Amino acid sequence: DAKTTQPPSMDCAEGRAANLPCNHSTISGNEYVYWYRQIHSQGPQYIIHGLKNNETNEMASLIITEDRKSSTLILPHATLRDTAVYYCIVRPLSGGSNYKLTFGKGTLLTVNP
Amino acid sequence: NAGVTQTPKFQVLKTGQSMTLQCAQDMNHNSMYWYRQDPGMGLRLIYYSASEGTTDKGEVPNGYNVSRLNKREFSLRLESAAPSQTSVYFCASREVGGTDTQYFGPGTRLTVL
Repeated sequence: DAKTTQPPSMDCAEGRAANLPCNHSTISGNEYVYWYRQIHSQGPQYIIHGLKNNETNEMASLIITEDRKSSTLILPHATLRDTAVYYCIVRPLSGGSNYKLTFGKGTLLTVNP
Repeated sequence: NAGVTQTPKFQVLKTGQSMTLQCAQDMNHNSMYWYRQDPGMGLRLIYYSASEGTTDKGEVPNGYNVSRLNKREFSLRLESAAPSQTSVYFCASREVGGTDTQYFGPGTRLTVL
């Protein structure tokens, strides 16, 4: 699996957009970019994933660069409840039924009032 | 639809004691996973089960055993607990196909004295 690099922490003002970067320069053609987040003391929660096109859902937008070596997760209007550790994970979409996620240390996003 | 449930939520053991962490999912998922998370660290995979009747080791299997009792249930057993096993344990199940998302339980906080 491709390795990812994320900043250890970021701050964002409430109501503003939070842009969380992720570098995955060794990503291969069949690997997707997944984002999960973990709010304090809870289990991780799926946010969004994409291959090469930009993606948007009710939680966030995902922007992937044309060369696919980096991506940005965008929370358009951050709230205090978005304070969490955000994990960027690269993996094949269908690695077989025994495929497992590999979590790094992620980015701690702190949304300030 | 409860998703992924784990019992107990909290547990304190003495060194050498044994216990079993229980996990159940009601989403009809084939794959299930056990992770541990130490303070300030990302999640590390202990064991996983691709389908009923199969289990495989993850990154940190030593000191643990697992049982895939049926499609719904996947238990983690500590035969002789050690202080190094103090951690938060998360169970997850995986939807194969679609978003290929892993859904996590609320966690079990284990302290070994």
